[in-house]
Amino acid sequence: DSGVTQTPKHLITATGQRVTLRCSPRSGDLSVYWYQQSLDQGLQFLIQYYNGEERAKGNILERFSAQQFPDLHSELNLSSLELGDSALYFCASSVWGGISGNTIYFGEGSWLTVV
Amino acid sequence: SQKIEQNSEALNIQEGKTATLTCNYTNYSPAYLQWYRQDPGRGPVFLLLIRENEKEKRKERLKVTFDTTLKQSLFHITASQPADSATYLCALAGNNNDMRFGAGTRLTVKP
Repeated sequence: DSGVTQTPKHLITATGQRVTLRCSPRSGDLSVYWYQQSLDQGLQFLIQYYNGEERAKGNILERFSAQQFPDLHSELNLSSLELGDSALYFCASSVWGGISGNTIYFGEGSWLTVV
Repeated sequence: SQKIEQNSEALNIQEGKTATLTCNYTNYSPAYLQWYRQDPGRGPVFLLLIRENEKEKRKERLKVTFDTTLKQSLFHITASQPADSATYLCALAGNNNDMRFGAGTRLTVKP
């Protein structure tokens, strides 16, 4: 158990709908990352937050948004869903390690199926 | 653009042999590089971190090398076991310390 909690574990929804994925980082971790992993692609970095502020942005679509709340949990909002959004969405957290290294701890993921 | 390439999509070896996985990168100047293991349907799990000033790092049967001139890391599993079968990912920190991953190499160790 990594200590990172993601909900829901599985989600099936229709095209055009909106869903919210939730993540609670490990206790003490200030940084939260979101990744998307589909069958034909590797782990794609979406976005990173550190202590409530956006820190880095990757290949995140405009239909997707995220935020990190004062209690450090994070939500990833996916809207106007398309079939191609079906994937495993991972949240990860870390202590801001700077040059000393920044090991990332992953949750078990949220399986999203868009039908 | 920044790229992380893991040369083999899949690697099959016999139990007891050494598995060697390769990670090459371009347009990065990483302060460190990490290796993770991922089992099907599970989140990646951290294995090893190696810093730019370290040539080699070991942990039990695992060994990682890091050559910043060649822009390459090698990941070795010695005395491999069927339980080592998984996908192995290398990861580099981007400019903002965001972690980006290679596509992974799927290792199968046959008894």
